[in-house]
Amino acid sequence: AQSVTQPDIHITVSEGASLELRCNYSYGATPYLFWYVQSPGQGLQLLLKYFSGDTLVQGIKGFEAEFKRSQSSFNLRKPSVHWSDAAEYFCAVSTGNQFYFGTGTSLTVIP
Amino acid sequence: SAVISQKPSRDICQRGTSLTIQCQVDSQVTMMFWYRQQPGQSLTLIATANQGSEATYESGFVIDKFPISRPNLTFSTLTVSNMSPEDSSIYLCSVSRENYGYTFGSGTRLTVV
Repeated sequence: AQSVTQPDIHITVSEGASLELRCNYSYGATPYLFWYVQSPGQGLQLLLKYFSGDTLVQGIKGFEAEFKRSQSSFNLRKPSVHWSDAAEYFCAVSTGNQFYFGTGTSLTVIP
Repeated sequence: SAVISQKPSRDICQRGTSLTIQCQVDSQVTMMFWYRQQPGQSLTLIATANQGSEATYESGFVIDKFPISRPNLTFSTLTVSNMSPEDSSIYLCSVSRENYGYTFGSGTRLTVV
């Protein structure tokens, strides 16, 4: 069965530090991959997506993600975190017919 | 990508009552999706709503509890019926557009007291 795993429930980083949020998926073929961000009390906003082609994907707000087929991973990165990046981040996988969310990683940014 | 307007943004309701959530999309879409996000949890798909047909419900969700309407290609409603405190969640609608991924509404934060 398809699944999405975000191993880190909560991450704390200092403002200006680099960030990497991990995401692993389980699916027989190459899925469509997404990262969403949810600020407190808000809905979900799409950060970036991977359908095919270049495995390094650029998104909004300075985020990027790299698809690694050999590791079944789609980790989200940002070189320098801003205080406004504090939010819940969800990795998601679409197989065309189904859409699966990870359990989310909560990001805290400290001054 | 599609723009989705969802309302109400939040509500506090008495147990035993019902709440209808509306979702308006700025362009025609074939399928609309309704999700629930319980406190501290990820998103769970409730149902998929196609225009002109009955909604398709996921395991654990039934039409009597979560009736859905889809009168046209830009609008859908989800009703949470006979509410209990366990229904306190964020409810989100979503649409899928080719090459745009899934776009979500801003969500409805429901508290049942």
